[in-house]
Amino acid sequence: DAKTTQPPSMDCAEGRAANLPCNHSTISGNEYVYWYRQIHSQGPQYIIHGLKNNETNEMASLIITEDRKSSTLILPHATLRDTAVYYCIVSLTGNQFYFGTGTSLTVIP
Amino acid sequence: NAGVTQTPKFQVLKTGQSMTLQCAQDMNHEYMSWYRQDPGMGLRLIHYSVGAGITDQGEVPNGYNVSRSTTEDFPLRLLSAAPSQTSVYFCASRKTSNYGYTFGSGTRLTVV
Repeated sequence: DAKTTQPPSMDCAEGRAANLPCNHSTISGNEYVYWYRQIHSQGPQYIIHGLKNNETNEMASLIITEDRKSSTLILPHATLRDTAVYYCIVSLTGNQFYFGTGTSLTVIP
Repeated sequence: NAGVTQTPKFQVLKTGQSMTLQCAQDMNHEYMSWYRQDPGMGLRLIHYSVGAGITDQGEVPNGYNVSRSTTEDFPLRLLSAAPSQTSVYFCASRKTSNYGYTFGSGTRLTVV
């Protein structure tokens, strides 16, 4: 599975959009991009995933560049409850799912 | 649906003891995995399964065994506990390879 690079930490003002970047320059053509988050010591929570088209659901939007070497998770109106560690993962449509160290997002009142 | 249920939530073991961490899901998911998370670290994959009777090793499998005799259950066995296995253990399941994982709430294990 391709490796990902994320900034270790970011801040965002409450009510503003949070844009979390992820680089995955070695991604292969059939690998998906997944985003999860972990709030404090809870189990990780699935957010969204995509292959090459942009995706949107009730939680977030995922923007994948045309060359698929990077992506951005967008939380449109960040709240204090969005403070968490966000993980970007690339994975074949198969078995193994490796987490890195993620981005610690702090939403500031 | 209860989702992914892990038991126990907390456990203290002495070095050399063995135990089994239980994981059960009621969503008829084919894929199940075990992860460990050390303080301040990301999750690391221990073992995974793509269906009953099929298991494979992940990133850090040493010291752990798994089996998958039913779709619902995926227990993780610690053969001889060591202090280095002190960690939070998460079990996860997903329907097929094109879905996101649902995680359990974790088992906090301390080996003294």
